[in-house]
Amino acid sequence: DADVTQTPRNRITKTGKRIMLECSQTKGHDRMYWYRQDPGLGLRLIYYSFDVKDINKGEISDGYSVSRQAQAKFSLSLESAIPNQTALYFCATSDLRTEQETQYFGPGTRLLVL
Amino acid sequence: RKEVEQDPGPFNVPEGATVAFNCTYSNSASQSFFWYRQDCRKEPKLLMSVYSSGNEDGRFTAQLNRASQYISLLIRDSKLSDSATYLCVGGKNNDMRFGAGTRLTVKP
Repeated sequence: DADVTQTPRNRITKTGKRIMLECSQTKGHDRMYWYRQDPGLGLRLIYYSFDVKDINKGEISDGYSVSRQAQAKFSLSLESAIPNQTALYFCATSDLRTEQETQYFGPGTRLLVL
Repeated sequence: RKEVEQDPGPFNVPEGATVAFNCTYSNSASQSFFWYRQDCRKEPKLLMSVYSSGNEDGRFTAQLNRASQYISLLIRDSKLSDSATYLCVGGKNNDMRFGAGTRLTVKP
């Protein structure tokens, strides 16, 4: 079984709709991240969380919100989706106890906003 | 200017070739560096960390040059299975920045 899972894997929605992307992990890691990937731009950090009570904005947080419901769960919400939020979204985790910032990624969610 | 920049490629090389990728970073406070591999429509996966002294893992060698603020990845004896996009990552603590990736195609 995958250590980091994301649901849904694919989603088509309309402008103005609220949607939520879910991420779960069984790695026991404290740190969780949400990224989006766009062609030519690479991965950009949206939000990150170092534990259940810790939420931090990343490079491109506008238009997004997150919730860390438990150590193993980190969800990303688009309150009112717009077409330029069409992208591939990845959740990732890392272990606070290790020296290196190695991140482990989920399989991604492809989002299309019409 | 992006904080981490790399040549997008594509690099098209024959099997058995040696290929090198470079990546530059702008934040001199960056402390951790990595190369990730991403296959088409898949998630990035760690290829190797990059240490100050340079490090090797089989056919892969990573180097870090702090003075010039770049890291490199050398792949020797390329295999068809090495075809992928290679992402350079650099940063510190919670602020890791990814390059846009270099696409490699290894041909028979």
